[in-house]
This record gives sequence, C-alpha cells and structure tokens, in this order.
Amino acid sequence: AQSVTQPDIHITVSEGASLELRCNYSYGATPYLFWYVQSPGQGLQLLLKYFSGDTLVQGIKGFEAEFKRSQSSFNLRKPSVHWSDAAEYFCAVGVLEYGNKLVFGAGTILRVKS
Amino acid sequence: DAGVIQSPRHEVTEMGQEVTLRCKPISGHDYLFWYRQTMMRGLELLIYFNNNVPIDDSGMPEDRFSAKMPNASFSTLKIQPSEPRDSAVYFCASSYRGYEQYFGPGTRLTVT
Repeated sequence: AQSVTQPDIHITVSEGASLELRCNYSYGATPYLFWYVQSPGQGLQLLLKYFSGDTLVQGIKGFEAEFKRSQSSFNLRKPSVHWSDAAEYFCAVGVLEYGNKLVFGAGTILRVKS
Repeated sequence: DAGVIQSPRHEVTEMGQEVTLRCKPISGHDYLFWYRQTMMRGLELLIYFNNNVPIDDSGMPEDRFSAKMPNASFSTLKIQPSEPRDSAVYFCASSYRGYEQYFGPGTRLTVT
C-alpha cells in the first residue's frame, strides 16, 4: 500500500537559516509527489509538485524539492526561512490508478525563531 | 478563479442532529475529493467523485456519512446522526484530470 513518512513532527529554525523537511514515500510505480502548506485555521495550499522530468522542482514562496528515486525521497528545501513560513507542511503521494487521490504524511510543524 | 468554496466555515451542533457540509469546486475541474482532518488520524480521504460519479467511498467511516454530487458545481457531505467523534475539519478539494488538487478553506465541525 502507498504510504508517506515525514520523520520530523516538529522542526525549529532561526529566521534566515536554511530549511530541509524530509519526506519518504512508498509506491510501486513512478509517483506523483506534492508538498502542501497549512497555516493555522486555513486550508492546504499547494507549494510544488513533481510529475516527471527534472528531479529538482521549484515552487512558490522560494521553496524547492528534489525527487530522488533511489532513496524514495522528496525533501523540501528553502535557502532562507522567513517568519511567515511558520506553518505545517504535508508531503503527499498521488495514487494514479485512483484518480490521483492523495496519501498524506503526518505533517511537520515548522517553528521559526527570530 | 474563486477557488474551492466551502460552507459553512464553522458548524456547532448537538449529538444526534443532521449536519450538511457544502462544496463548490473550481469551475472546469472534473474530480472532487472530501477529506477529514483530525489530530489523531491526520488527513483522511473520505470519498471522491469523477464527473459527478462517486468512484471510491471506502474512506467513509460509517453509514451515517453520505455524499452527493448532483452537478459539476456542487457537492454535499451529510452526517446523520452526528456524534461527538465526528468533530473534525472537513476539506473539499478539486482537480482537473486528476492532477494537483486545490483545497477549500475547510469546515470546522464541533459536535457536542
């Protein structure tokens, strides 16, 4: 069965520091991969997606992610974190044979300290 | 585009009452998904539709839950009767041809 693991429940970084959020997936075929961000009391906003092609994908708000098939990973990165990036981040894999329904990881809560 | 619209944003009801949550997907999208988010279970897919037809309802927790999509621009999720354990945030999302999903702001349901 498809699954997504986000090993870090909470991460705290200083404003201006770099960020990497980890995501590992289990899926039998070439995956569609996504990162979403959720601010408190809000819905989920799509940050970026990987369908095929270049394994380094750029997203909104200065985020990027790299697909590594050999490691079954899709880690999210940002070179310099802003206080407004504090939120919860979800990695998801799309199950293609079911209309690309999403299987989500448990989420990583990012705290930014000034 | 206005994005996915959900109503109400907040709902407080008493146990045993019927609750109806509403969703308007993005125009032109042919897939619609209903999710539930709780602290204990995270984000769970309840049901999804393709071209207004329910495709997979295996995530619907009990017969108390039902969902309909009478046309391409409207869907409902109904809970009857509601129970305190149904308290959660319910999200609707839509996509075009099964690609990236766009989420609504959610409905926070509290059942007392």
